[in-house]
Amino acid sequence: DAKTTQPTSMDCAEGRAANLPCNHSTISGNEYVYWYRQIHSQGPQYIIHGLKNNETNEMASLIITEDRKSSTLILPHATLRDTAVYYCIVRGDFGNEKLTFGTGTRLTIIP
Amino acid sequence: DTAVSQTPKYLVTQMGNDKSIKCEQNLGHDTMYWYKQDSKKFLKIMFSYNNKELIINETVPNRFSPKSPDKAHLNLHINSLELGDSAVYFCASSFIWTETQYFGPGTRLLVL
Repeated sequence: DAKTTQPTSMDCAEGRAANLPCNHSTISGNEYVYWYRQIHSQGPQYIIHGLKNNETNEMASLIITEDRKSSTLILPHATLRDTAVYYCIVRGDFGNEKLTFGTGTRLTIIP
Repeated sequence: DTAVSQTPKYLVTQMGNDKSIKCEQNLGHDTMYWYKQDSKKFLKIMFSYNNKELIINETVPNRFSPKSPDKAHLNLHINSLELGDSAVYFCASSFIWTETQYFGPGTRLLVL
C-alpha cells in the first residue's frame, strides 16, 4: 500500500469548512483513497473514498488532484462533534487488501 | 440496532490468564477483522476472515487465536496474557469486495 502523509494536528472554527490534506505521491493506478475518522474512545468510522473523481456524500467531500498524488477531505460546516483523528488511507481494489492506518490528523473544532 | 458489537467492553485480568473477546455483526457481511490499538494509538490489523476462512494473518504471537464459528461471529482468544497485550481491540466487518469497514466499539483490555 502507498504511504500517506498528513499533518499531525489542525484546528478549525465551528461552522467553518475543515480542509484536511493528505499526500500520497506513490499511489498506483488501481489504488483508492479512503478517509476514516476516530472520535475519542470509539471505533473508526468510514467517511468517504474515491479513485480519481471528486466525491461527495452526506458527511464530506473528497477532492483528488489530477495527478492523484494528493487529496483533501472537506467537512463543509464543522461542528464540535467532528473533533476526531482523521485517517487518510490508500488501498488497492482487491478484496483481501487490508486497511493500513497511519498516525492521522487530530482535528480540533474550536467553539 | 448495533451493527458490530463486542463483548466485553472492558476486561481487566492478571498476567498469565487466558481470555476471550467476542464479536458479532448483523450486517450480513462476509468478512470480519480484528485490529489492535496500542497506547500510542497506532491501529494495526491482526486477522481477517472471509466466510470463516482466514485470509489475513499479520505477525501476531501464537497466543492469539481467532475463531469464526459462522460468518456473523469472529472471536479472539488470547492465551497466557502479557503486559504488552494491554490495548484496545476493535472488531470490524465488511463485504470483501467493497471498501467500507464497519467497526465495533472496542474492547479495552488491561493486563496487570
